[in-house]
Amino acid sequence: DTGVSQNPRHKITKRGQNVTFRCDPISEHNRLYWYRQTLGQGPEFLTYFQNEAQLEKSRLLSDRFSAERPKGSFSTLEIQRTEQGDSAMYLCASSSGGGTSSYEQYFGPGTRLTVT
Amino acid sequence: LAKTTQPISMDSYEGQEVNITCSHNNIATNDYITWYQQFPSQGPRFIIQGYKTKVTNEVASLFIPADRKSSTLSLPRVSLSDTAVYYCLVGDSWGKLQFGAGTQVVVTP
Repeated sequence: DTGVSQNPRHKITKRGQNVTFRCDPISEHNRLYWYRQTLGQGPEFLTYFQNEAQLEKSRLLSDRFSAERPKGSFSTLEIQRTEQGDSAMYLCASSSGGGTSSYEQYFGPGTRLTVT
Repeated sequence: LAKTTQPISMDSYEGQEVNITCSHNNIATNDYITWYQQFPSQGPRFIIQGYKTKVTNEVASLFIPADRKSSTLSLPRVSLSDTAVYYCLVGDSWGKLQFGAGTQVVVTP
């Protein structure tokens, strides 16, 4: 068990460019979550997957954001036509399933996005 | 999801017990209470969760009164490495965690 990993750790991009982040959850965790965190605030829920199915998307997730989890393993979060307001830490977490275990989520180190 | 209210910051000295109280007046019957810890530039880390009464693990204790409208996280004998932001969350079994701004705990020698 190597924990949740995220790549890249840092990304600097110019406004209008597309970016893609990858998250590798703990193996055999069937739930995967994406959050976004800005400075001084707690993480905000974006979306989550149960295996390969995306079950819910926050209203924070505009049409420029898309997430996938093919085959229920790793996940990618893509942001198209980035804006300066997208600058944030993007966190991925995984958990082993529903019930009380869904509260115990294991977070990755995050990808810090800076849009210039 | 029920909202939570907790102090913005707390200061403590090494070796003291730190108690952080969180209010969640609108907690639903099925909601559990969960606490996370976050260090700068790291993802949050699960500390403890509970439904009612008292829960204790190797890191902390969680006290929940009968009406469940509040909860208190107790950190025994804190050290400098316990300086972090602590989040109180309530939610249902889908795991859609709703974080607030958290409580910044600063431990000094």
